[in-house]
Amino acid sequence: DPKIIQKPKYLVAVTGSEKILICEQYLGHNAMYWYRQSAKKPLEFMFSYSYQKLMDNQTASSRFQPQSSKKNHLDLQITALKPDDSATYFCASSQDLGGSSQNTLYFGAGTRLSVL
Amino acid sequence: GDSVTQTEGPVTVSESESLIINCTYSATSIAYPNLFWYVRYPGEGLQLLLKVITAGQKGSSRGFEATYNKETTSFHLQKASVQESDSAVYYCALGETNSAGNKLTFGIGTRVLVRP
Repeated sequence: DPKIIQKPKYLVAVTGSEKILICEQYLGHNAMYWYRQSAKKPLEFMFSYSYQKLMDNQTASSRFQPQSSKKNHLDLQITALKPDDSATYFCASSQDLGGSSQNTLYFGAGTRLSVL
Repeated sequence: GDSVTQTEGPVTVSESESLIINCTYSATSIAYPNLFWYVRYPGEGLQLLLKVITAGQKGSSRGFEATYNKETTSFHLQKASVQESDSAVYYCALGETNSAGNKLTFGIGTRVLVRP
């Protein structure tokens, strides 16, 4: 059974609308992340959270807002959607927020967002 | 910034043939990067295939191998004899040992199709 649940799997939205991508992890991890992969581009880091607090934000736009209602939840709200936001969004988690040599990232299956 | 370049896919091979996926990196902000290969099987999230945190060392898993070569800044992934179940997308990535952000820099991913 998948330990990181992302919902929905596929999402179609119109330009200017708002959507929320859901992520829940059942690994007991303390750190959660969002990554994004647009067509023909590398997977890129967006946010990291530790114990429900924002630790790092690499997105240039305030239209992307993570929301953590519980330690094992990290949803992503995207407002004023644009076609350039079309991508697959991956949620991930790790035991803690330490260095990459000790903390393996575990990923969800992703939400593929298409903005028309 | 840091970057990872890997073989552009799709790469198609026949079962029992050998496979090599090239990966080179540029770590301008990290003195001693950790190197990773992640794999994404259809319908699933990315999962760690192997990692190497020390230059000159080799990592191996499920018949795959990769050697961390600091001189050539490469971390190529190889398998001597592939199976149909190896069809997946393979991602090369680098990270920092002691980063508090556990943030990885990924390549674009290489889709591998193994013909029966």
